[in-house]
Amino acid sequence: DVKVTQSSRYLVKRTGEKVFLECVQDMDHENMFWYRQDPGLGLRLIYFSYDVKMKEKGDIPEGYSVSREKKERFSLILESASTNQTSMYLCASSFDRGRPGEQFFGPGTRLTVL
Amino acid sequence: SQQGEEDPQALSIQEGENATMNCSYKTSINNLQWYRQNSGRGLVHLILIRSNEREKHSGRLRVTLDTSKKSSSLLITASRAADTASYFCATYQGAQKLVFGQGTRLTINP
Repeated sequence: DVKVTQSSRYLVKRTGEKVFLECVQDMDHENMFWYRQDPGLGLRLIYFSYDVKMKEKGDIPEGYSVSREKKERFSLILESASTNQTSMYLCASSFDRGRPGEQFFGPGTRLTVL
Repeated sequence: SQQGEEDPQALSIQEGENATMNCSYKTSINNLQWYRQNSGRGLVHLILIRSNEREKHSGRLRVTLDTSKKSSSLLITASRAADTASYFCATYQGAQKLVFGQGTRLTINP
């Protein structure tokens, strides 16, 4: 079974703090993704990566950065957390080899910024 | 931008009944996928149907795809309390970007 794990289920941070959300997958997937999910707005793609050290902006990259130093790990960084970044953050991975297929999701991190 | 739109937004039925959810999309697709999300959890992939397929089954799930109408439906037969969740359709925009609809919130009443 594919397993995607996220470092925290719940996280509370203060405005201005630097926040790291970690995601690890154990199936040697090339692609990894970070989404945020908000009521009424659905899932929105923040960033994705299709290879080590490669990254692409999604729909809402502002205020976020990412790091992928190893194939299995994809980190989302909030450089200076703000209250409007309070959300559910979901990490996903996929094994495509040029044919887009299913994505495997982690359990999510519910981040609250005070 | 929204690619898939689910209908209805919410559905409440009795245990044992069938549940049908619909999804419409805007552009041509290679495949369409359905996911389930239990409250406060990550999404779980349910089924993928390719553009050259019209119907697909997996256990109590039946998915249809009508590319001429740009629509898909998900049928859950003999519903159970454990089926209570939100259900999302998703399609790709480009090679890597999976776009999700807003979801249908399904409640199964005992």
